[in-house]
Amino acid sequence: EPEVTQTPSHQVTQMGQEVILRCVPISNHLYFYWYRQILGQKVEFLVSFYNNEISEKSEIFDDQFSVERPDGSNFTLKIRSTKLEDSAMYFCASYKGTERKGEQYFGPGTRLTVT
Amino acid sequence: AQTVTQSQPEMSVQEAETVTLSCTYDTSENNYYLFWYKQPPSRQMILVIRQEAYKQQNATENRFSVNFQKAAKSFSLKISDSQLGDTAMYFCAFMSSFDTDKLIFGTGTRLQVFP
Repeated sequence: EPEVTQTPSHQVTQMGQEVILRCVPISNHLYFYWYRQILGQKVEFLVSFYNNEISEKSEIFDDQFSVERPDGSNFTLKIRSTKLEDSAMYFCASYKGTERKGEQYFGPGTRLTVT
Repeated sequence: AQTVTQSQPEMSVQEAETVTLSCTYDTSENNYYLFWYKQPPSRQMILVIRQEAYKQQNATENRFSVNFQKAAKSFSLKISDSQLGDTAMYFCAFMSSFDTDKLIFGTGTRLQVFP
């Protein structure tokens, strides 16, 4: 069964450094998302992406964040200058875009630790 | 703004027994979607069940069923014949039907199934 994959599973970085989190959505899916979960808190929406552009973003998704689909398979989240509060689990998700609205398939997550 | 509340941080149940996880939400909309996602330890979130608000019939998926009370804005998940593999974090989520496809999550309920 097709799955969303994410790399790396764990990333440790120093404050102020740039990080790129990578996701490979399910191949015939058209809508892509990033969510994050700070330890012990709820999962929060960051951004949705369709047709090579951002369709919606939350107030968390400020100028330090960007997303890209550089080729036909990868979907990346870049944090330009990481802060301690960016430490969280980051989940990528994808949706086919036909019926069954909301049926998003999630990846296993990347745990980002900012020191 | 829509909110989702899960008031039970932790639940436990014995194998083969039935357990109900609670979820309430707040919205002024009439049409929307509700979901339960399961997050096993160290694995990605998996969609368990989906409910469309305009459908009065409660959704069921094998051992999983919901009790959707639209007027009360309640959406509980019943797991029958609990199995050890049901041990996981369970998240309730809401999605508006209007011009957005972001999921709004509750804080989760950690379910432990004991032999």
